[in-house]
This record gives sequence, C-alpha cells and structure tokens, in this order.
Amino acid sequence: AQSVAQPEDQVNVAEGNPLTVKCTYSVSGNPYLFWYVQYPNRGLQFLLKYITGDNLVKGSYGFEAEFNKSQTSFHLKKPSALVSDSALYFCAVRDPSTGTASKLTFGTGTRLQVTL
Amino acid sequence: DAGVTQSPTHLIKTRGQQVTLRCSPISGHKSVSWYQQVLGQGPQFIFQYYEKEERGRGNFPDRFSARQFPNYSSELNVNALLLGDSALYLCASSLFGGSQETQYFGPGTRLLVL
Repeated sequence: AQSVAQPEDQVNVAEGNPLTVKCTYSVSGNPYLFWYVQYPNRGLQFLLKYITGDNLVKGSYGFEAEFNKSQTSFHLKKPSALVSDSALYFCAVRDPSTGTASKLTFGTGTRLQVTL
Repeated sequence: DAGVTQSPTHLIKTRGQQVTLRCSPISGHKSVSWYQQVLGQGPQFIFQYYEKEERGRGNFPDRFSARQFPNYSSELNVNALLLGDSALYLCASSLFGGSQETQYFGPGTRLLVL
C-alpha cells in the first residue's frame, strides 16, 4: 500500500527566508510524487511533480522539490518565502504498479505561515 | 479556459437523505476522479472514471456511487447520509487518467450533514 507522511502540522517562516515543507513516502514500486497547495475555501492547486529524471523539480510560483530515493523523501522548498505563500500544502504519491492509475494518496497536510 | 467546475458549492442535508454532486472536467479531459476531504485531513480517493467506465474505487461503502456521461461530466451520489459524510468533495480531471498525468482539481462541494 502507498502512503505519505508530512511530519509537521505547521511550519512558520519569516518573509524573505527560505522555507522547507517535508514529505516522506512509502510505495512498493517507483513513485510518482506531487505537491499541491490549498488556499482557504478553495480546491487544490498543482505546484509540481516528479515522474523521472532530474531529482530537482521546479514548479509554479518559485517552488521546487528534491526527490531523494534513498531517504524516500520529496521535500518542498522555496528560496525566499512570501506572505502570500501562507496556505495548506499537500504532498501526494501515486504508485503506478497498482491497478488504479489515477489514484493519488495524500498526506495530512502542512500549514505554512509566513510572517512579516 | 475554464478549469474544473463543481456544483453546488455548498449543500446542507440531514441524516438518511441522498445527495448528488456534479462535476465538469477541463475541456478535452476524459478522466474524472472524486475525492473526499474531511476537515483536518488530506483528500481520500473515492472513484476514477474514464470513458464512462469505473477504473478505480477507494475504500468507501456502497452508499457511494458515481457515473460519467458522454460529455465526460460526472456525478457523485451518496445515499443514506451519515454525519461522517460531512466533508469537502473534490473532483479532479486529467486527459486520460494515466499514472504520469497531473490531476487538476475543482473548487469542491462542501457538504454538511445534520
């Protein structure tokens, strides 16, 4: 079975500082990994994904994520945080070896709070 | 271009009632998936449909059902509502439902069961 862990319920960072939101995963095969962001009373917005290739993936709004197979991690990063980045962030995994191609398994989410 | 749309945005029902939620995918997308997001948790996979056929089902009871229409829009039905069905129901679409594809989510329907 596939699973995702986001060990931090909340991450606090000052505007202009780098941010990291942590994610670890467990799958039986090679993972496909995704990050989504959710603003209040909104659906999920896609940020980036890792399918194969370069371990450093660049996405929307200046976010990037690094895939680390040995540590089974896919941490989300941004060099300089903005107050407008404050939101709920979800990591998700898809195991292509399972029967359901589309199924995403999400973590419990990490709330990012960026302050002035 | 319009993204994924869902209706209604909010819904209040009482226990035992039935509810139908609707989703229109991004134009050209043929696969629709449904997720349930309970407050404080990540979304949980309910169904995937592609070309009007069910391609996957999550760990939900038979009270949950869905269908996809020839125009690729979809409906999610929940019968005999329980208090625990209160959640944000999210619809997501992708081109073909392939494992490498990005799913794009709609704004959701917030269901409150009293």
